[in-house]
Amino acid sequence: GQNIDQPTEMTATEGAIVQINCTYQTSGFNGLFWYQQHAGEAPTFLSYNVLDGLEEKGRFSSFLSRSKGYSYLLLKELQMKDSASYLCAVSDSNYQLIWGAGTKLIIKP
Amino acid sequence: GAVVSQHPSWVICKSGTSVKIECRSLDFQATTMFWYRQFPKQSLMLMATSNEGSKATYEQGVEKDKFLINHASLTLSTLTVTSAHPEDSSFYICSAKEGGLGSSEQYFGPGTRLTVT
Repeated sequence: GQNIDQPTEMTATEGAIVQINCTYQTSGFNGLFWYQQHAGEAPTFLSYNVLDGLEEKGRFSSFLSRSKGYSYLLLKELQMKDSASYLCAVSDSNYQLIWGAGTKLIIKP
Repeated sequence: GAVVSQHPSWVICKSGTSVKIECRSLDFQATTMFWYRQFPKQSLMLMATSNEGSKATYEQGVEKDKFLINHASLTLSTLTVTSAHPEDSSFYICSAKEGGLGSSEQYFGPGTRLTVT
């Protein structure tokens, strides 16, 4: 079966750095996405990785290792507005998105 | 660019009635649109995939006669929840892809919160 695993909840301090991990087992791989979702709102796109390595975009970076079936989202200089759920999703061999359950990130002052 | 709208943003209806939700791609042509449902504190659940001009492909466990999907044009897909029941109360989100199978990103609409009383 297809499976995406990510921690249910994480807590971090404002101004700090947090890494949210995602491991996956899917039938085929056509890229991995990270989305941010605030409560009661639709997801918004953060990053897309299809090749191994680190993609940096401002305070957010995303890493992919296809051989390990592993990705992480790194958030730096955390702000209170970063409190949200972070969803990892993998595009499988049929280009269908397989979604993780999301990681709820709580930022404390 | 790549904006997807949904209408209405929230709706309350009585049990037994039908509700139609519209999803529009405002500045691109969406060959494929997706409908998701999300219950509180849970992840997105794909309900169906629709391609313009053809019948939608429903995920296992989703009743196609209850959740009617029409993708009549490259910019509009509709989801009709027929004979709604309280257990259908959920957050319904659509997304759209601009290109064909190989295109990557899905653009999400803002979601529609349905409450069935």
